[in-house]
Amino acid sequence: DADVTQTPRNRITKTGKRIMLECSQTKGHDRMYWYRQDPGLGLRLIYYSFDVKDINKGEISDGYSVSRQAQAKFSLSLESAIPNQTALYFCATSDLPGNTLEQFFGPGTRLTVL
Amino acid sequence: ELKVEQNPLFLSMQEGKNYTIYCNYSTTSDRLYWYRQDPGKSLESLFVLLSNGAVKQEGRLMASLDTKARLSTLHITAAVHDLSATYFCAVDMVGGATNKLIFGTGTLLAVQP
Repeated sequence: DADVTQTPRNRITKTGKRIMLECSQTKGHDRMYWYRQDPGLGLRLIYYSFDVKDINKGEISDGYSVSRQAQAKFSLSLESAIPNQTALYFCATSDLPGNTLEQFFGPGTRLTVL
Repeated sequence: ELKVEQNPLFLSMQEGKNYTIYCNYSTTSDRLYWYRQDPGKSLESLFVLLSNGAVKQEGRLMASLDTKARLSTLHITAAVHDLSATYFCAVDMVGGATNKLIFGTGTLLAVQP
């Protein structure tokens, strides 16, 4: 089984709709991240969480919110989707300082906002 | 603000040839990561470089880090078609323990028979 899973894998929605992307992990990591990937722009950090009670904004948090329901679950919400939020979204996890801090990525969610 | 630049952005090469992808970053950091992404797929970790002078090798790929020059290289030896993918470098923010990665825009590698 995959260590980092994301649901849904594909989603088409309309402008103004609220949607939630979910991420679960079995790696036992405390740190979790949400990124979006756009062609030619690489990956950009949306939000990150170092534990259940710690949520931080990344480079491009406007228009997004997150919820860390448990150590293993981190959800990303678009309160009112707009077309320029069409992108590939990745969840990632990493271990604690003192180790490599290598990030492990989920399979991605392809979101299309019409 | 930390900026990460990769070059080239696109690389078409023949099987059997050697080439190097460069990753430059703008501020002090001593943690750099290389990832591979196949079309429509997730990112796969290739190398973790944690100190100046670090060199890692796996198969036909070798990565190195020069923190003084703020430069990492990914060298491809005797390329094969299976290496065709997009390669990203990512740099940790200053201080390391923040683990907020800034990614380069990626290098699309196409290895031709």
